[in-house]
Amino acid sequence: QKEVEQDPGPLSVPEGAIVSLNCTYSNSAFQYFMWYRQYSRKGPELLMYTYSSGNKEDGRFTAQVDKSSKYISLFIRDSQPSDSATYLCASIMFSGGYNKLIFGAGTRLAVHP
Amino acid sequence: DAGVIQSPRHEVTEMGQEVTLRCKPISGHNSLFWYRQTMMRGLELLIYFNNNVPIDDSGMPEDRFSAKMPNASFSTLKIQPSEPRDSAVYFCASSLDKGGVPYGYTFGSGTRLTVV
Repeated sequence: QKEVEQDPGPLSVPEGAIVSLNCTYSNSAFQYFMWYRQYSRKGPELLMYTYSSGNKEDGRFTAQVDKSSKYISLFIRDSQPSDSATYLCASIMFSGGYNKLIFGAGTRLAVHP
Repeated sequence: DAGVIQSPRHEVTEMGQEVTLRCKPISGHNSLFWYRQTMMRGLELLIYFNNNVPIDDSGMPEDRFSAKMPNASFSTLKIQPSEPRDSAVYFCASSLDKGGVPYGYTFGSGTRLTVV
């Protein structure tokens, strides 16, 4: 079992839809959680960064963490074709006094006009 | 801020040749990470450095892979000899690690390696 599980999709939605992307993790030692967006042939770019359980909002994006169920979500409101990309969840684990970033497989999202 | 800079952007080499990938982290960052991304395996952490010291290389697939960080502004990932199964996109990332909390975790644009 991978430490961070994510459905690879693909997920196809019409423009304007609400998108829900989800991950689960297995290690209670994970402290911080991130969502990255990766466009084709580009490096991942950080979208959201959360620590505690609950919601964090940034524009059309909301990150949700539920540590009791080890569940991470990213919601995109009013989705746009420019949101079409692969979305990767990641968890940070402290190992030997240093942090390690563990990624999910990534979910490919296509928003069609 | 120029971000994390990787070179070359693309590399095509023949099986058995040595390949060297290069990375310049963001100035002031003290942690550096090398990742490999493939369709089959996703994004895999190969090795990470803190203050130029290799901390965890458990992700390095085999002895053909080696990484160095001679100073705070430069790192290399070397594959010798290269094999077709090494074909992937290799990313470098850097962050500022303060008390175990990473700040500004940023990826480079990657090197697309093709071994024929």
